[in-house]
Amino acid sequence: TQLLEQSPQFLSIQEGENLTVYCNSSSVFSSLQWYRQEPGEGPVLLVTVVTGGEVKKLKRLTFQFGDARKDSSLHITAAQPGDTGLYLCAELQGGSEKLVFGKGTKLTVNP
Amino acid sequence: GAGVSQSPSNKVTEKGKDVELRCDPISGHTALYWYRQSLGQGLEFLIYFQGNSAPDKSGLPSDRFSAERTGGSVSTLTIQRTQQEDSAVYLCASSFSGYGYTFGSGTRLTVV
Repeated sequence: TQLLEQSPQFLSIQEGENLTVYCNSSSVFSSLQWYRQEPGEGPVLLVTVVTGGEVKKLKRLTFQFGDARKDSSLHITAAQPGDTGLYLCAELQGGSEKLVFGKGTKLTVNP
Repeated sequence: GAGVSQSPSNKVTEKGKDVELRCDPISGHTALYWYRQSLGQGLEFLIYFQGNSAPDKSGLPSDRFSAERTGGSVSTLTIQRTQQEDSAVYLCASSFSGYGYTFGSGTRLTVV
C-alpha cells in the first residue's frame, strides 16, 4: 500500500506570507490530487496533476509534480485568512478508483 | 441534487446502540465512497461501490460496520453496537470516473 507523507503537519503564518507544503510517496504516483478541507465541511478538490514536472496554477496557489512523480508541492503566495484549512494530497491506489489520502497539513493564516 | 448530501449532520448515540448514516450522491455518479476522519487525522477509507460491481469492503474496521447502496444511488452505512472509538466524522463522496471526488459535509458521530 502506497504511503503518502505530508509535511509540515501544522503551519501557522501571518497574512501576506508565502508558504509551501509537501506530499511525498514511497513509490511513483500515477496521478495526484490536492484537496482543501475547511472546518465542518468535506474536502474540496483543488487540482489533479498527472505528468512529471507538471506545474498548475490556481490564482495564488501553485502546484508542482516532481519529475520522478514521487513528490508534489503546493505553494501559496501572499496567504490570506480564507486559505485556512486542512490541505490533503491523495492518490488513486494502483489500478483502482480508490483514493488514498495523506494525513494533511493544517494551515492557519492569521490576520 | 447539486451536491452530495449526508444525514444526519450530527449524531450522538449511547455506547452499544446501532446507528445508520445516509448518503445521497450526485445524480449520475457511478462510484460512491465512505471515509472516516478522526480528530486530527487524515481520511481513512472504509468502503467503495462502483456501479453493479461487488463493493470493495477492505477498509471496514470490523464486522460491526456494513454498508449498502440501493438502486445504484443512496447508500447507508450501519454501525452496530457502537463503541467510543467509533466517534469520528463519516464522509461520503461520489465520482463519475474516479478523477475528482465530490464530498458531502459529513456526519459527526459521537458515542457516549
